[in-house]
Amino acid sequence: DAKTTQPTSMDCAEGRAANLPCNHSTISGNEYVYWYRQIHSQGPQYIIHGLKNNETNEMASLIITEDRKSSTLILPHATLRDTAVYYCIVRVLNAGNMLTFGGGTRLMVKP
Amino acid sequence: DADVTQTPRNRITKTGKRIMLECSQTKGHDRMYWYRQDPGLGLRLIYYSFDVKDINKGEISDGYSVSRQAQAKFSLSLESAIPNQTALYFCATSDLGGTEGYTFGSGTRLTVV
Repeated sequence: DAKTTQPTSMDCAEGRAANLPCNHSTISGNEYVYWYRQIHSQGPQYIIHGLKNNETNEMASLIITEDRKSSTLILPHATLRDTAVYYCIVRVLNAGNMLTFGGGTRLMVKP
Repeated sequence: DADVTQTPRNRITKTGKRIMLECSQTKGHDRMYWYRQDPGLGLRLIYYSFDVKDINKGEISDGYSVSRQAQAKFSLSLESAIPNQTALYFCATSDLGGTEGYTFGSGTRLTVV
């Protein structure tokens, strides 16, 4: 799996959009970008994934650059409950290898 | 009911004791996993299973064993618990195509004294 780089921590004001960047400059053509989050000591929660097109669901939007070397997870209206560690993971869909969680970005949403 | 249920939620055990952590799922997924998380760190894979007859070691399998009793059940055992196995343990499932992402349980907090 390609290596990812994320900022260690970020702050966001409640009600504002939270934009979480992820660098994956060594991504291969068949690797997807996945985002998970982990609220304190709970099990990680799947958020969204994409290959090259931008994706949106009820939780977030995923913007992938045209060269696919980086992406941004957008939480459009952050709430206090979005405070969590956010993990960006790059892997092949249906891969025999497993999810590998790195350090992630600790997002703190402040009132 | 939760899609992935782990029992117990918390457990304190003594060094040298055998302990089993259980996981059951209602997702109908074939693939199941056990991860371990230490404070301030990411998750590390212990064991995984792609179907009932398939068991594979992850990156930190030493000191652990697993049993896939059925499609819906995957248990993790510590044959002789030691203090550095004190951690948060998560079970997860995924579908064959990976399109739904992984679904994690709420975790088991294990303390070995």
